[in-house]
Amino acid sequence: DAMVIQNPRYQVTQFGKPVTLSCSQTLNHNVMYWYQQKSSQAPKLLFHYYDKDFNNEADTPDNFQSRRPNTSFCFLDIRSPGLGDAAMYLCATSRPRGSSNQPQHFGDGTRLSIL
Amino acid sequence: SQQGEEDPQALSIQEGENATMNCSYKTSINNLQWYRQNSGRGLVHLILIRSNEREKHSGRLRVTLDTSKKSSSLLITASRAADTASYFCATRKILGGGADGLTFGKGTHLIIQP
Repeated sequence: DAMVIQNPRYQVTQFGKPVTLSCSQTLNHNVMYWYQQKSSQAPKLLFHYYDKDFNNEADTPDNFQSRRPNTSFCFLDIRSPGLGDAAMYLCATSRPRGSSNQPQHFGDGTRLSIL
Repeated sequence: SQQGEEDPQALSIQEGENATMNCSYKTSINNLQWYRQNSGRGLVHLILIRSNEREKHSGRLRVTLDTSKKSSSLLITASRAADTASYFCATRKILGGGADGLTFGKGTHLIIQP
């Protein structure tokens, strides 16, 4: 089945130690998104890629970066994780605007803990 | 900033009863979507209602939309234990570069008691 896969499901890192989360998709969607979801809160959009074009949300900290080497893969890099970055990180994909209001397809997320 | 606000924040009902969740939003919309999130999992798209629609059904789900009041409701009929999850409404967020993101409400945590 076509899907969005996130690895790992659980990630533990130390305060200040860089960490990379990965996402892959078999849907061949143009757009890939990263959301941050803190405990008992709604997901919050960090940034997205439309093909190779990267678009950062205005309030996303500089500590968060992303890479998309090809259509199928997208990475979230946290350069110096702080305690406040502990959260579930969700990857999602969709077709671009104008594609009949297509919904977003989410992976199961990576839960990041900071020691 | 949050576009949608769901109420109630938490809802606990007996299996077999109907569950109703409400969502209010602030700006004009193109469509409104509802997603379900099981504990520790990603979001699953349930249903999308366009701004020119007033009601939509999908299985045991019924969604209504009142654009004059900027509100939507999600009704789950004949609830089951497997319906236990958090439910989020989401509106389209126009992004640069031809893509649309989602702005989520705070969610309703639904618990179905067996």
